[in-house]
Amino acid sequence: QKEVEQDPGPLSVPEGAIVSLNCTYSNSAFQYFMWYRQYSRKGPELLMYTYSSGNKEDGRFTAQVDKSSKYISLFIRDSQPSDSATYLCAMITNYGGATNKLIFGTGTLLAVQP
Amino acid sequence: DTAVSQTPKYLVTQMGNDKSIKCEQNLGHDTMYWYKQDSKKFLKIMFSYNNKELIINETVPNRFSPKSPDKAHLNLHINSLELGDSAVYFCASSFDSYTEAFFGQGTRLTVV
Repeated sequence: QKEVEQDPGPLSVPEGAIVSLNCTYSNSAFQYFMWYRQYSRKGPELLMYTYSSGNKEDGRFTAQVDKSSKYISLFIRDSQPSDSATYLCAMITNYGGATNKLIFGTGTLLAVQP
Repeated sequence: DTAVSQTPKYLVTQMGNDKSIKCEQNLGHDTMYWYKQDSKKFLKIMFSYNNKELIINETVPNRFSPKSPDKAHLNLHINSLELGDSAVYFCASSFDSYTEAFFGQGTRLTVV
C-alpha cells in the first residue's frame, strides 16, 4: 500500500463546475501538505501549501486538511478549461532535521469540458 | 529567469550507454532533489541533498550517481542505461526540508 493514496481519475467535468480532489494518507508523520498542478510535458507547479488542519483559500482554490482522518482535499470553484491538468497531492514528514521526505500521491487527471 | 533549470530537456540513448543530466537553481535554496516520474505520472523521490550533502537515497540502483558540486547544482549521472530507466526525471529545490519544492521542467529520457 502506498503512503499516499489518490484516485487517478480521469475526472471530467463541465466548465463552471466545482471540482473536488482528495488524498488519504497513512503516516502520522506527515505534517505539511501541498497540492501541485502539472500540465502535460511540464514540471509540477505549486498551488497550495498548508501545515495545519482546516481550510486555506487562494482565489478559486481551497485546500482542506483533516489530520484526524488523514484526509486532504482540493476544491476548485468555477472550473475553467485551463484547469485541465494532473493534480498531485504531496506531503512532507516531520522526522526532524534534513531527513524529511516530500512524498507525492499518484495524481488525478482532470479535464474541464468547455 | 528560470528558477530551477535542467538540461537536456530530451535525451534518447541506447541501452548500455552512460548519460548525465544537469540541474541548477537560482533560488538560494539549501535542499535539492531528484524525482523520477513513470508513465503513470507517479513521482518517486530518488535523492535529496542538503547543502551539498546526500541526505536521502531511496534504494536507487548504484548505476545512478548524484553529485552536488555546490548547493546550487545537483547533477545525475546514470551508468549502463537500461530500458526501464526510461522516464521523466525532475530536479527540484526547496528552502529546507519542511517547505514546498519548486520543480524544473523535466528531462525526458528514452532508452532504446
